[in-house]
Amino acid sequence: GENVEQHPSTLSVQEGDSAVIKCTYSDSASNYFPWYKQELGKRPQLIIDIRSNVGEKKDQRIAVTLNKTAKHFSLHITETQPEDSAVYFCAASRRDSNYQLIWGAGTKLIIKP
Amino acid sequence: SQTIHQWPATLVQPVGSPLSLECTVEGTSNPNLYWYRQAAGRGLQLLFYSVGIGQISSEVPQNLSASRPQDRQFILSSKKLLLSDSGFYLCAWSVGTSNQPQHFGDGTRLSIL
Repeated sequence: GENVEQHPSTLSVQEGDSAVIKCTYSDSASNYFPWYKQELGKRPQLIIDIRSNVGEKKDQRIAVTLNKTAKHFSLHITETQPEDSAVYFCAASRRDSNYQLIWGAGTKLIIKP
Repeated sequence: SQTIHQWPATLVQPVGSPLSLECTVEGTSNPNLYWYRQAAGRGLQLLFYSVGIGQISSEVPQNLSASRPQDRQFILSSKKLLLSDSGFYLCAWSVGTSNQPQHFGDGTRLSIL
C-alpha cells in the first residue's frame, strides 16, 4: 500500500548547525507534500509545503526540496535555534483521495545549546 | 480568517463510559474535516474524514464513530470507551479542493481509567 518513510527518527544537532530530514513516498501520483512542526503537547502546525510542479521552496531558514524521479523530499533547516526543537512530520497526498494525506512517522529534532 | 475550535482540552473518562468530542470551524464554507488520534510519542492516525454534511468515511475499524450534522461541525463519539482509546485527539480542516494543507485544532487529551 501507499506509505511515507521518514528518517531519521531522532536528530540531534548543535545550535547554529543545519538539520536535514528526509522522506520517501511510494505513490508516484502524489503531488502535494506538506511539512508540520509539533511542539510537545501542542497541535501540528504547517511550516512549509511544496507541490510537484516545483523542485524547491524556501521560507527564511526553512527549505523543502522535491525529487519526483527518486520519490523523495527533504526538509532543510539552517542556523538552527533552540525553538526549532520539536517533532517534524512529513506527508504526501494520496492517489485515490486528494483530500487525504499519508503521514511519515515523525522526526524528533533536538537542538543542543 | 479561519479558526478551528475543539473541546474539551482534557478529558478523563472511566472504561465503558460514552464519549463526545466536538469540533467547529469558522470563516470557511464546505471544508473537509478530519479526526486524528495520536498515541503518546507516536504519529498521526486518521480516524475519519468528511467532505460534506452527512458524508463520513472511516479509515480504521473501531468502537468510535463520527458525525457531521452541520457544514462546519464534526463530532467524534463512542458508546463505550476502551482503555486503548486513550490518546490525543485532533480535529483538522482543509479547503474543499484538492492538495490543500490541513489545519489542526488544539486537540483533546483523553485519558481512560
